[in-house]
Amino acid sequence: ETGVTQSPTHLIKTRGQQVTLRCSSQSGHNTVSWYQQALGQGPQFIFQYYREEENGRGNFPPRFSGLQFPNYSSELNVNALELDDSALYLCASSLAQNNEKLFFGSGTQLSVL
Amino acid sequence: EDKVVQSPLSLVVHEGDTVTLNCSYEVTNFRSLLWYKQEKKAPTFLFMLTSSGIEKKSGRLSSILDKKELFSILNITATQTGDSAIYLCAVGSRDNYGQNFVFGPGTRLSVLP
Repeated sequence: ETGVTQSPTHLIKTRGQQVTLRCSSQSGHNTVSWYQQALGQGPQFIFQYYREEENGRGNFPPRFSGLQFPNYSSELNVNALELDDSALYLCASSLAQNNEKLFFGSGTQLSVL
Repeated sequence: EDKVVQSPLSLVVHEGDTVTLNCSYEVTNFRSLLWYKQEKKAPTFLFMLTSSGIEKKSGRLSSILDKKELFSILNITATQTGDSAIYLCAVGSRDNYGQNFVFGPGTRLSVLP
């Protein structure tokens, strides 16, 4: 196990609602990134946070937003949920801003009905 | 647009066989290539490659990167049923905004007893 914890493990929402997912990074890691993994596909990079600021973003609309807190934990917020947002959301932490060695949590399975 | 391609997408072998998984990429501002094993939800780190031609080994697994031809291979010798998983290839890059990670679709490996 990596020491990266995510909550909740499962979540069911309806279209149009908002959701907040949480992630605690591994001890000593100051960088957190988020990924969306649809069934049968590889993870897609949403964004990365370093020292409470976004420092990298994939091709996701603004309704996907995030926060990083002083203790390096992080939140992913998704507004106006769509059916296609149903996926496994993975959080990963790394030692430093430019360190690509990622340690993943077990994810939050989001279902949008 | 950055992309990572993996082949084969699916592979079935018997215990004791040797397998080679392929990953090719087209990424601007390449920094590193990483291999992960995903059994249930959390991908676990296998290798990070940054230099061409240097083989990384861990037990029965090994990997090498060719930055000129833009590909990497992951070899698994004497496969065991515990090697059954999805193997993900990811490329880390950096642009003016920050970090980016592109994952391939994965290779689903099934090892039969």
